[in-house]
Amino acid sequence: DAGITQSPRHKVTETGTPVTLRCHQTENHRYMYWYRQDPGHGLRLIHYSYGVKDTDKGEVSDGYSVSRSKTEDFLLTLESATSSQTSVYFCAIRSGGTSYEQYFGPGTRLTVT
Amino acid sequence: SQKIEQNSEALNIQEGKTATLTCNYTNYSPAYLQWYRQDPGRGPVFLLLIRENEKEKRKERLKVTFDTTLKQSLFHITASQPADSATYLCALGVGGYQKVTFGTGTKLQVIP
Repeated sequence: DAGITQSPRHKVTETGTPVTLRCHQTENHRYMYWYRQDPGHGLRLIHYSYGVKDTDKGEVSDGYSVSRSKTEDFLLTLESATSSQTSVYFCAIRSGGTSYEQYFGPGTRLTVT
Repeated sequence: SQKIEQNSEALNIQEGKTATLTCNYTNYSPAYLQWYRQDPGRGPVFLLLIRENEKEKRKERLKVTFDTTLKQSLFHITASQPADSATYLCALGVGGYQKVTFGTGTKLQVIP
């Protein structure tokens, strides 16, 4: 398995509280991605990073911010969680160049009450 | 509008038969297409990639075709086994090769 971990694995939080999810990789891959997966919608890209301090928005970025200060860590922050952000969040990594396959972490199940 | 459709939400097939899953897309011009497998409670796992200038790719019991005229990819699992039961996702390479857009998946069940 690719060396990619996510923390926490499960979290329950209240509406309006800030939440930070962490993705950590040991592969030294250039690209890192945050997705959310919901029934009926599949996997949707929130934000991605193509290098340290280089990030860009995905299709569902509203309400989320990201940071990447080190190659190995990619943080996803919900500044003020809402019930619509209840989902399973997956981080993925990709080495770059002409290698396009993505390797996914185990996911974080977030419930916003 | 842009759309990726996988043929059905669920597909049941008898063990030993060939499973064929379909991925259709509209208003995309993907540079490549990928297939992933996802088991319940786990992240997707990469299976195969096929580029826009390739017609077919094989890996063991898996075969992928890519028809950019029909805007369709077919994913075949030959001699299917109960262990092949999972959700299969197609993903289009878009946006300057840096990202992919996923379909909603087809849940395959192989019946012994």
